[in-house]
Amino acid sequence: AQKVTQAQTEISVVEKEDVTLDCVYETRDTTYYLFWYKQPPSGELVFLIRRNSFDEQNEISGRYSWNFQKSTSSFNFTITASQVVDSAVYFCALSEANNAGNMLTFGGGTRLMVKP
Amino acid sequence: DTGVSQDPRHKITKRGQNVTFRCDPISEHNRLYWYRQTLGQGPEFLTYFQNEAQLEKSRLLSDRFSAERPKGSFSTLEIQRTEQGDSAMYLCASSSTDGLQDSGANVLTFGAGSRLTVL
Repeated sequence: AQKVTQAQTEISVVEKEDVTLDCVYETRDTTYYLFWYKQPPSGELVFLIRRNSFDEQNEISGRYSWNFQKSTSSFNFTITASQVVDSAVYFCALSEANNAGNMLTFGGGTRLMVKP
Repeated sequence: DTGVSQDPRHKITKRGQNVTFRCDPISEHNRLYWYRQTLGQGPEFLTYFQNEAQLEKSRLLSDRFSAERPKGSFSTLEIQRTEQGDSAMYLCASSSTDGLQDSGANVLTFGAGSRLTVL
């Protein structure tokens, strides 16, 4: 069975601080996909990134970066120089490749509050 | 295209009443999903459709729940004889499997959700 754990339920930072959101996953499959979604107060989940299990290269997109480490089953997300607009709930999710329905298993989410 | 639309955004009902939610996916997407999200938790999978066929249902979907996608376009999720435990945000998402070898790689586009409160 697949499982995603986001141990940090809430993080509060001051604007311009860097912040890392942790994600640890469990799966028995060798091929799988990891995702991060952002849920702002409006409620709509917004896709941020997808990585497959064979690509461990770190990725950077503007102020966002992701660190995927299979050895520790982690897929952490760092926001550099945080801004108030980054305040949201962030979800990590897992999908196994042989999962015909592409059912995503989500973690419990991390609420990020960025204060001015 | 305005993305995935859900209606109503909020519904308050009394225990025992029936409620129906509607989802209009992105028009070219062949897959449609329903998820449920309770307060402080991540979304949980309920069911999904490929075109008009309902291909998978979670054990969370009791027999009081029924979902349809009659013409492979919009979908409805009906909850009969609502219970207080049904109070949650019901999220709809859609995706396209075109060009994908692995359905697990599918990127879902979510709607803003329909929040149900059962009194």
